[in-house]
Amino acid sequence: RKEVEQDPGPFNVPEGATVAFNCTYSNSASQSFFWYRQDCRKEPKLLMSVYSSGNEDGRFTAQLNRASQYISLLIRDSKLSDSATYLCVVSRSGGGADGLTFGKGTHLIIQP
Amino acid sequence: GAVVSQHPSWVICKSGTSVKIECRSLDFQATTMFWYRQFPKQSLMLMATSNEGSKATYEQGVEKDKFLINHASLTLSTLTVTSAHPEDSSFYICSATGTGLWQPQHFGDGTRLSIL
Repeated sequence: RKEVEQDPGPFNVPEGATVAFNCTYSNSASQSFFWYRQDCRKEPKLLMSVYSSGNEDGRFTAQLNRASQYISLLIRDSKLSDSATYLCVVSRSGGGADGLTFGKGTHLIIQP
Repeated sequence: GAVVSQHPSWVICKSGTSVKIECRSLDFQATTMFWYRQFPKQSLMLMATSNEGSKATYEQGVEKDKFLINHASLTLSTLTVTSAHPEDSSFYICSATGTGLWQPQHFGDGTRLSIL
């Protein structure tokens, strides 16, 4: 079983729609959780950290369910510029001492 | 803030050549730097963890004698791919993290390595 699993998509979504991605992780000792965004042939960029209480940043909402080892990302009012690959990322530590484990990513295409 | 610079961006060279990639944290001190590799349509995979002043810790399956890592200062880590072969062609990317809890990793721009 992969450590971090995501639906690779692609998700083709009209502009303005709401889209949700899910991710599951296998290591119950994971401490830190993130969503990164990666554009084609570029480095990943941090979108947001994910906390058990859930957190929101503008149009983006992330949720973590530790019991189910499940992470979600919701994008509201999607923009053309949201087209990218969204990477679910976990870490064993909370202090940045450990490397990150990446999912393969979910490919999102926002259509005009 | 939290800028990580990686150089070079692109490398094309012949089989058997050794290639050095630099990773610098420009505006913060990075006690830990990480090196990842991403093959086409695959996820980023951690290769090694580099701590300033000590030997790197390599992930299972990564040859330490082939991928030499040096982290001599708090702002610079280097990865040398020795005697590179076509199967080493990949996207190599570093990240750095500052001190403190719950610090995310900040990534360099990546180096696209093509071995002919």
